Amino acid sequence: NAGVTQTPKFQVLKTGQSMTLQCAQDMNHEYMSWYRQDPGMGLRLIHYSVGAGITDQGEVPNGYNVSRSTTEDFPLRLLSAAPSQTSVYFCACHAGNYGYTFGSGTRLTVV
Amino acid sequence: GQQLNQSPQSMFIQEGEDVSMNCTSSSIFNTWLWYKQDPGEGPVLLIALYKAGELTSNGRLTAQFGITRKDSFLNISASIPSDVGIYFCAGQPHSGAGSYQLTFGKGTKLSVIP
Repeated sequence: NAGVTQTPKFQVLKTGQSMTLQCAQDMNHEYMSWYRQDPGMGLRLIHYSVGAGITDQGEVPNGYNVSRSTTEDFPLRLLSAAPSQTSVYFCACHAGNYGYTFGSGTRLTVV
Repeated sequence: GQQLNQSPQSMFIQEGEDVSMNCTSSSIFNTWLWYKQDPGEGPVLLIALYKAGELTSNGRLTAQFGITRKDSFLNISASIPSDVGIYFCAGQPHSGAGSYQLTFGKGTKLSVIP
């Protein structure tokens, strides 16, 4: 039982490039979310989804796109990468009032 | 958005000492969660608190959900080197459309000196 799987673990992009960060969960949880973690800023919510076909914006959504076609998958798309998007990205899932389960992160550098 | 004030930002302690950290909020939370993040990993849930006044332990860790629903603390007793990491508090709002969302504190970085 893997929980939440994120790929890739590391990525370097050039400014302007696009890419998709993958997130898959096998816990059958309805709720999934994407956070970015920057030094001294804690974890900030980018986008979230309360179920397949439903997504909404979090605190810092600009420059990112999401979709949720299945319960299991919640990819995060960077439309045109910028150096300000250099960060560590975490995907999480949860059900109801139980604590979130996080993936191990994707470390993205935009040069 | 809602803000969680977590303190201290960092701590350097001797092995064997007890540790205390806390989070406060200007608004009410329905659930308080405490996470630990090891270097290069995602946060891992340590303790979840669901009721005001609740005191919950997990081994050497003890956390409490404040009576006002606006604060929580985490204590670690007899610290050991593997306690090193960043500890985050997180809260779920009391109600409303955002009640599934977690708000995180900025973390307490713990260093343990052997």
